[in-house]
Amino acid sequence: GAVVSQHPSRVICKSGTSVKIECRSLDFQATTMFWYRQFPKQSLMLMATSNEGSKATYEQGVEKDKFLINHASLTLSTLTVTSAHPEDSSFYICSQLMNTEAFFGQGTRLTVV
Amino acid sequence: AQKVTQAQTEISVVEKEDVTLDCVYETRDTTYYLFWYKQPPSGELVFLIRRNSFDEQNEISGRYSWNFQKSTSSFNFTITASQVVDSAVYFCALSEGDSSYKLIFGSGTRLLVRP
Repeated sequence: GAVVSQHPSRVICKSGTSVKIECRSLDFQATTMFWYRQFPKQSLMLMATSNEGSKATYEQGVEKDKFLINHASLTLSTLTVTSAHPEDSSFYICSQLMNTEAFFGQGTRLTVV
Repeated sequence: AQKVTQAQTEISVVEKEDVTLDCVYETRDTTYYLFWYKQPPSGELVFLIRRNSFDEQNEISGRYSWNFQKSTSSFNFTITASQVVDSAVYFCALSEGDSSYKLIFGSGTRLLVRP
């Protein structure tokens, strides 16, 4: 299956700082990528859909100015959590679409202290 | 509106028991896909199966089997002869057959298999 590499796997940052998470497809080109968030012991919720070369589409309730998504190439999408706060602590996971199948990264556990 | 319901929050079984994880979905589309994913403690999502809405055949893969019933909008997952390594959170998910294929996840079922 396709390989999606997500980095970092864990990050701890101070409140008020920004954190960038990368999602790379290693062996295919993905025009569409998805970013999900999972709070502890909860389900995965879609945050946004990212299309290469265009602006991301955010789900209702997700602040686009806080969660900046860049999909500059067919193999890389980034999610930047700006001015992070403790309530942003969560597990973030990307997914890339190849044909009709979604491939997930390993996830990033963000802790804001 | 689309929705996936996994009514079982947590299940605990003893090794070698069979266990069934329930999944009920709602969608207005006639074309859609159903998925099961396993999430071990490390966090990554492990793909288990994808089934499209036109294929109601049940599937068996080793100790895993899936029962898709459109009449009851259910896509249940059975693990036969469970093992400790099966302990994880299992998610059922739905994507509708438009161009987005974004997944709507159920709330997950935490399975604990005790030795």
